[in-house]
Amino acid sequence: GESVGLHLPTLSVQEGDNSIINCAYSNSASDYFIWYKQESGKGPQFIIDIRSNMDKRQGQRVTVLLNKTVKHLSLQIAATQPGDSAVYFCAENPDMNTGFQKLVFGTGTRLLVSP
Amino acid sequence: DTEVTQTPKHLVMGMTNKKSLKCEQHMGHRAMYWYKQKAKKPPELMFVYSYEKLSINESVPSRFSPECPNSSLLNLHLHALQPEDSALYLCASSYDRIGGYTFGSGTRLTVV
Repeated sequence: GESVGLHLPTLSVQEGDNSIINCAYSNSASDYFIWYKQESGKGPQFIIDIRSNMDKRQGQRVTVLLNKTVKHLSLQIAATQPGDSAVYFCAENPDMNTGFQKLVFGTGTRLLVSP
Repeated sequence: DTEVTQTPKHLVMGMTNKKSLKCEQHMGHRAMYWYKQKAKKPPELMFVYSYEKLSINESVPSRFSPECPNSSLLNLHLHALQPEDSALYLCASSYDRIGGYTFGSGTRLTVV
């Protein structure tokens, strides 16, 4: 089936550093992408999304970059804080022609922030 | 109300038991979803309901039976599960084709 992302890596950073989490997607037809944060024992939490007609979108301390040429998505977190420690998943919606979203999740990246 | 509420939070059941997972949202979302998540893995789609009708069944075994009694409620009925079905079961909802899902906190299911 379709797959998004690579094996589960771990990114370790110091508090205050900028973090970059990467994701590769496989379906060139995907038109909509989302980053989720999942803390231990909780469900995934929406962080930021981007449509394929954009290559960059900024939120509060987060930026998502989309490179459709190489099918790559990244999440940048500025001034990383211990509370940012979690597993981060990218997700894509390969079919925008339905009245709902059929999100396919990447394998995830664990972010560890040390004080 | 901007939450998806799942009950119970934890469930231990035997392989001959029948149990149900419940999910509720009051955000007016028209689509509701069940995902299964094994440890250290991404969520995997099981079922999608759109406007209270089953739109997607991702070849899920019949021992999992979804039900959508109304636009705010989603159930997952469990019967004769196997130990390998132990996982975190996540419910989610969405309003439309974009905007992502709102997830519940999940039900941690253990089959013994």
